[in-house]
Amino acid sequence: QVQLQESGPGLVKPSETLSLTCTVSGGSVSSGSYYWSWIRQPPGKGLEWIGYIYYSGSTNYNPSLKSRVTISVDTSKNQFSLTLSSVTAADTAVYHCARASYGHTGILHYWGQGTLVTVSS
Amino acid sequence: DIQMTQSPSSLSASVGDRVTITCRASQSISTYLNWYQQKPGKAPNLLIYAASSLESGVPSRFSGSGSGTDFTLAISSLQPEDSATYFCQQNYNTPYTFGQGTNLEIK
Repeated sequence: QVQLQESGPGLVKPSETLSLTCTVSGGSVSSGSYYWSWIRQPPGKGLEWIGYIYYSGSTNYNPSLKSRVTISVDTSKNQFSLTLSSVTAADTAVYHCARASYGHTGILHYWGQGTLVTVSS
Repeated sequence: DIQMTQSPSSLSASVGDRVTITCRASQSISTYLNWYQQKPGKAPNLLIYAASSLESGVPSRFSGSGSGTDFTLAISSLQPEDSATYFCQQNYNTPYTFGQGTNLEIK
């Protein structure tokens, strides 16, 4: 059974860069069968899709965040990562990583539990 | 972006009841509609994909229907463990978007 676990700082200052990592166990980020996604959920609000990456490095980002987002993959560590630059309080959220299958990039079969990131000085 | 609107935003029902949650898309999305269950502090769990396909391991009391713009998640014979928030999501095109959620309380 694949498991995903998010990690990273829980507190980020405004205007700085948020960096999170998703460690995958029970599966390989190098597999051509899957896409690896990030989704966030501000406190008390709905879910927002951030983007996804394929093992080859191909990405697709939400246009609302595209200018600030980078998703990358590290096959040697079986991880993929999210960076979000120039953060503001509006970026405070629980950030989830998730896995989708090739050809069905929007069906998120497996999710991490999520990690809360607070943007505050 | 495609807007997803769920109703109701919350509901309360008793064990054994049948409940339905609806989701409406701002444009036709064929059957590119998924349903997730989320319990507090836990990862969302995929219940239904492609509008009506039951994810492996999900109890058969969960079912989905609909196409185009209107979709329904039904839970027959409600169980105590079904207390959760339910989200719909379109994967017709990116950016993928979610409904605002329906909070289901078991009386």
